[in-house]
Amino acid sequence: DTAVSQTPKYLVTQMGNDKSIKCEQNLGHDTMYWYKQDSKKFLKIMFSYNNKELIINETVPNRFSPKSPDKAHLNLHINSLELGDSAVYFCASSQDGARNEQFFGPGTRLTVL
Amino acid sequence: GEDVEQSLFLSVREGDSSVINCTYTDSSSTYLYWYKQEPGAGLQLLTYIFSNMDMKQDQRLTVLLNKKDKHLSLRIADTQTGDSAIYFCAERDTGRRALTFGSGTRLQVQP
Repeated sequence: DTAVSQTPKYLVTQMGNDKSIKCEQNLGHDTMYWYKQDSKKFLKIMFSYNNKELIINETVPNRFSPKSPDKAHLNLHINSLELGDSAVYFCASSQDGARNEQFFGPGTRLTVL
Repeated sequence: GEDVEQSLFLSVREGDSSVINCTYTDSSSTYLYWYKQEPGAGLQLLTYIFSNMDMKQDQRLTVLLNKKDKHLSLRIADTQTGDSAIYFCAERDTGRRALTFGSGTRLQVQP
């Protein structure tokens, strides 16, 4: 299946822990993104990578660090998790070009206790 | 900065048309998109419209764009119970790849 996939789908962890979420796309796209969706369903861009280079870094705490080992993967590592980090994190990808249609993964629901 | 607004909730009866509205502030928006999110799922791209177009039709979906008023709408004809979901409009301005999303409109279709 051609798609954007994320693992894990659910992540429940204690405050203070460090965790990673992985994202892979097999669509051959050049750009990948991380978005955060809060409990009110509001979606906001966090990071974007184009061909393994960081191009968007919104106002996100330093505890969040994206890593792109190659253009098909964009992982998100979170240090010292806080209660407010609980949200659904979506990975997306797009091909370079004017239309920039973004295709989203299924999301990772992170719950910090 | 960019701002995209939508009404939060819409309820229609099965078979009726649904119209979901969106307003945006960024006059340099190039493309505008509609995404659908079903419960517990990711976002599915439904359709998009380029900023120099007024209307785009795709089967049961009609997108209308009033660029002067910065108003975008999505009309779903013959709404079905499977259309129940949250609908997000999003805009992308020139030179910026990330999308700015509205707050989403929850569409409830009653049988």
